[in-house]
Amino acid sequence: DVKVTQSSRYLVKRTGEKVFLECVQDMDHENMFWYRQDPGLGLRLIYFSYDVKMKEKGDIPEGYSVSREKKERFSLILESASTNQTSMYLCASSFVPTYIYNEQFFGPGTRLTVL
Amino acid sequence: AQTVTQSQPEMSVQEAETVTLSCTYDTSESNYYLFWYKQPPSRQMILVIRQEAYKQQNATENRFSVNFQKAAKSFSLKISDSQLGDTAMYFCAFMKHSGGGADGLTFGKGTHLIIQP
Repeated sequence: DVKVTQSSRYLVKRTGEKVFLECVQDMDHENMFWYRQDPGLGLRLIYFSYDVKMKEKGDIPEGYSVSREKKERFSLILESASTNQTSMYLCASSFVPTYIYNEQFFGPGTRLTVL
Repeated sequence: AQTVTQSQPEMSVQEAETVTLSCTYDTSESNYYLFWYKQPPSRQMILVIRQEAYKQQNATENRFSVNFQKAAKSFSLKISDSQLGDTAMYFCAFMKHSGGGADGLTFGKGTHLIIQP
């Protein structure tokens, strides 16, 4: 079974702190993604990566950065956390999409609260 | 850019009934994938069913089936013989075929489905 794990289920931080959210996958997937989930808004793509040290901006990258030093690990960084970044953060991974393999596998999510 | 619209924020049906969740999308792409994901109260998102746009035949997975109308850009999910365990948020999602690279999913806002005993 594919497993995508996230370092914390719940996290509470203060405004202005630097926050790291970690994601690890064990299926040798090339692609990894960070989404943000807010009630009434669904999930929105923050950043994704298609290879080690490669990254692409998603729909809402402002206030975030990412790091992918190893294939299995993808980190989301909030350089200076703000209250409007309080949200559920979901990591996902996948193979390079083909007509057969195109599913993204999700982690359990990290509920981040910024006070 | 793509958009995905789910017009039903919440639905409630009795156990064993059939329920249909609607989804429409807008895109200029000709080659893409559509998905329905389920997020139970435990929060782990899982894939329910997928459809490749080039396929005419509607996808089916046990009690779950889709009605894919490409010209109308509609992708509804039908759940037959609904069960209590089907209670969850359901998200419709779109992904364009990027020809060997990567692309994220564009999600709808979700439908909260409640199955009543």
